[in-house]
Amino acid sequence: DQQVKQNSPSLSVQEGRISILNCDYTNSMFDYFLWYKKYPAEGPTFLISISSIKDKNEDGRFTVFLNKSAKHLSLHIVPSQPGDSAVYFCAAIEPPYNNNDMRFGAGTRLTVKP
Amino acid sequence: NAGVTQTPKFQVLKTGQSMTLQCAQDMNHEYMSWYRQDPGMGLRLIHYSVGAGITDQGEVPNGYNVSRSTTEDFPLRLLSAAPSQTSVYFCASSPSAGARDTQYFGPGTRLTVL
Repeated sequence: DQQVKQNSPSLSVQEGRISILNCDYTNSMFDYFLWYKKYPAEGPTFLISISSIKDKNEDGRFTVFLNKSAKHLSLHIVPSQPGDSAVYFCAAIEPPYNNNDMRFGAGTRLTVKP
Repeated sequence: NAGVTQTPKFQVLKTGQSMTLQCAQDMNHEYMSWYRQDPGMGLRLIHYSVGAGITDQGEVPNGYNVSRSTTEDFPLRLLSAAPSQTSVYFCASSPSAGARDTQYFGPGTRLTVL
């Protein structure tokens, strides 16, 4: 029973345009969310996070939006660059926020075309 | 500073064979963990450790053993490999078990069990 779902296995966008990656969750106790980025032959690396006390968190070209009532979050990349081509994992966690309770989505493969 | 290292990168086993996946970190992190990644599924936690001498089971521990005799090393043992254990395995470490401390992942081991 996947509590974190990324329903789009892949996404292709043109360089310079916006990439929007979506994530849905079913556990209403989740209130801290993270995005990881993974290049081929490498491990995932932390990208950005958001706590439920916010509905938006921004870091450079990356913004994460959280809609708690819809149990939905999204990662926006503006503008998209070819180097952003990677698999993006969404993750969620509930209090007391122990890493061993973190749940991951299956990932979305983003391809940014030059 | 190598971060989190994993060996081997690739391994092919026959059903019933045993092997150990190695993981080491040089960041003096207390928390270490093992995940497996399967197609269409998120990263799933196998075992984790909050410090030397302390280990615990994650979401999918069956068929795997771990030990943590030093802070640096966290090997994962497959006792009798099965085709269902074909997967990509990631080791991760973090300063603490708290999710607000970034987890650093190794590059992964791709295991095939025939």
